[in-house]
Amino acid sequence: GNSVTQMEGPVTLSEEAFLTINCTYTATGYPSLFWYVQYPGEGLQLLLKATKADDKGSNKGFEATYRKETTSFHLEKGSVQVSDSAVYFCALIVHGSGNTGKLIFGQGTTLQVKP
Amino acid sequence: EPEVTQTPSHQVTQMGQEVILRCVPISNHLYFYWYRQILGQKVEFLVSFYNNEISEKSEIFDDQFSVERPDGSNFTLKIRSTKLEDSAMYFCASSRLSGGAVETQYFGPGTRLLVL
Repeated sequence: GNSVTQMEGPVTLSEEAFLTINCTYTATGYPSLFWYVQYPGEGLQLLLKATKADDKGSNKGFEATYRKETTSFHLEKGSVQVSDSAVYFCALIVHGSGNTGKLIFGQGTTLQVKP
Repeated sequence: EPEVTQTPSHQVTQMGQEVILRCVPISNHLYFYWYRQILGQKVEFLVSFYNNEISEKSEIFDDQFSVERPDGSNFTLKIRSTKLEDSAMYFCASSRLSGGAVETQYFGPGTRLLVL
């Protein structure tokens, strides 16, 4: 079946530290991959996406590369800020016949950045 | 920038009561979705809707749930007889159709439903 697995949280970092949140997936078809972010008390916002192998999505200093060979889409940021504290969700959509575009989410990883 | 809106932001109801959650998707979008997130858990797909009919639903979406696009702008989720376990944040999302592939989904801010 189709699924997404993220690293367990919470992840606690100091400001300006390097961030990696691991995400791996299984998919029966060819997926598009996404990272969504949920700030405290808010809804889901698209952070970045990649639609084919070796694509790199990037936004607000975050980036993730679609690695088909390792079925991964790890999220990275070189220098985190306190304002990056949020829950990060990795997700996929499987394309192809019979697929309606539903998003399949990982369990979410909470990031806490301390000053 | 266009956005998905949802009302109400919070709803408290008694077990067994009917609730209707409302969403206004982005105006040129064609695919509509409902998801839910039980507190502290992952976001789960409930239902997708296209061309005025359900295109896919999850096992969560049983006979107590229904969706409707009553007037070309609103998209509603109805729970006929709420249960305690329906307490969750409900998110509406919409996307365009582009080149045969479904595009990025844009989410509303959510309705937090509490069933007492």
